[in-house]
Amino acid sequence: ETGVTQSPTHLIKTRGQQVTLRCSSQSGHNTVSWYQQALGQGPQFIFQYYREEENGRGNFPPRFSGLQFPNYSSELNVNALELDDSALYLCASSPTSGPGAKNIQYFGAGTRLSVL
Amino acid sequence: SQQGEEDPQALSIQEGENATMNCSYKTSINNLQWYRQNSGRGLVHLILIRSNEREKHSGRLRVTLDTSKKSSSLLITASRAADTASYFCATVSPTRFQGAQKLVFGQGTRLTINP
Repeated sequence: ETGVTQSPTHLIKTRGQQVTLRCSSQSGHNTVSWYQQALGQGPQFIFQYYREEENGRGNFPPRFSGLQFPNYSSELNVNALELDDSALYLCASSPTSGPGAKNIQYFGAGTRLSVL
Repeated sequence: SQQGEEDPQALSIQEGENATMNCSYKTSINNLQWYRQNSGRGLVHLILIRSNEREKHSGRLRVTLDTSKKSSSLLITASRAADTASYFCATVSPTRFQGAQKLVFGQGTRLTINP
């Protein structure tokens, strides 16, 4: 149990639609990262938020955007969905102090998005 | 893009045997971590080894790191059916990021332990 929860568990959308995925981190975890994992692949870094500001971005287009809120929750928004966006989306949070600070990330169970 | 390669892509062994997985990476790193993923769900952190360390142990896990070869290995001893999962190495490289560092994952090794 990592203390990171994601919703929904599964989601089906059609091409061109918009989707919002949600994540709730542990109290005290000021950093949240989002990853995309295609079937049979390792997770790929989308972006990271630290204290409610984007703190780094991977090789993903601007239609992938995010928000982080003061209550340790966050969102991943994807506009103009494409078929290739079908994947498992993982949220991970990290403490900024104490054991594992800034290094170990605690993952949620993910949201599986299917784009038809 | 992925940081590097994991080898083998799939491994099937009998319960009680040892399992060894290898990971190679491309850039300089601060640390390398191994994660486990059951049935395409969330990842669980297993062990972290820093760039100035060569070997680390945690229970039945042994990790080695060779920065000159840019490679790492994960050994699981006395495997159990519950060890069946996908295993990923992830590197953390020097960046200007505040807060946590981003993880760059390999492709993973699918490990199956047969009873």
